[in-house]
Amino acid sequence: GAVVSQHPSRVICKSGTSVKIECRSLDFQATTMFWYRQFPKKSLMLMATSNEGSKATYEQGVEKDKFLINHASLTLSTLTVTSAHPEDSSFYICSARDEGALYGYTFGSGTRLTVV
Amino acid sequence: SQKIEQNSEALNIQEGKTATLTCNYTNYSPAYLQWYRQDPGRGPVFLLLIRENEKEKRKERLKVTFDTTLKQSLFHITASQPADSATYLCALGNTGFQKLVFGTGTRLLVSP
Repeated sequence: GAVVSQHPSRVICKSGTSVKIECRSLDFQATTMFWYRQFPKKSLMLMATSNEGSKATYEQGVEKDKFLINHASLTLSTLTVTSAHPEDSSFYICSARDEGALYGYTFGSGTRLTVV
Repeated sequence: SQKIEQNSEALNIQEGKTATLTCNYTNYSPAYLQWYRQDPGRGPVFLLLIRENEKEKRKERLKVTFDTTLKQSLFHITASQPADSATYLCALGNTGFQKLVFGTGTRLLVSP
């Protein structure tokens, strides 16, 4: 089946630094990828929709200058958390749309970001 | 605004029993509804999809119903096992497989 690889699985960074998270579709091409954020014991909140070759579409309330998304190829989307602060600590999950799959979505295993 | 509600309290059942989880939504007309399983510290894993014109879907020990009049989906796990313990999320989507909107999730605990 379709596989989405997300890296790193865990990252700890200092306040003020930037962190990049990668999301790769391993065995299919994904024109669309999605980035979610999840707080402890809460549901997934969509942050943005990443489209290959064009600008990402951000959900209301998500700062696009803080959460930079790049989808430069059909198999890779990146999320960069810029000037990270402790409140950015969260679980980030990507999802890629597999147009050949019955249900269309495959999720990565998530990235636990801790900003200290 | 759109709202998708699942039982926020954990559901505790005994091994072998049927677990039934509920997903209710308002201000939404989804083309389909999906159920996912999520284990701690992991991304969601797809389980089942049911379309708006379908009433019921089955896959092995799983059964999903979809009532667009009640705006509700029920997710059943029969002959539950401790390995079924996880958080289960429902998600709604529209045609064209654009973004999914997730429910709050229900944690299921199956005791031996």
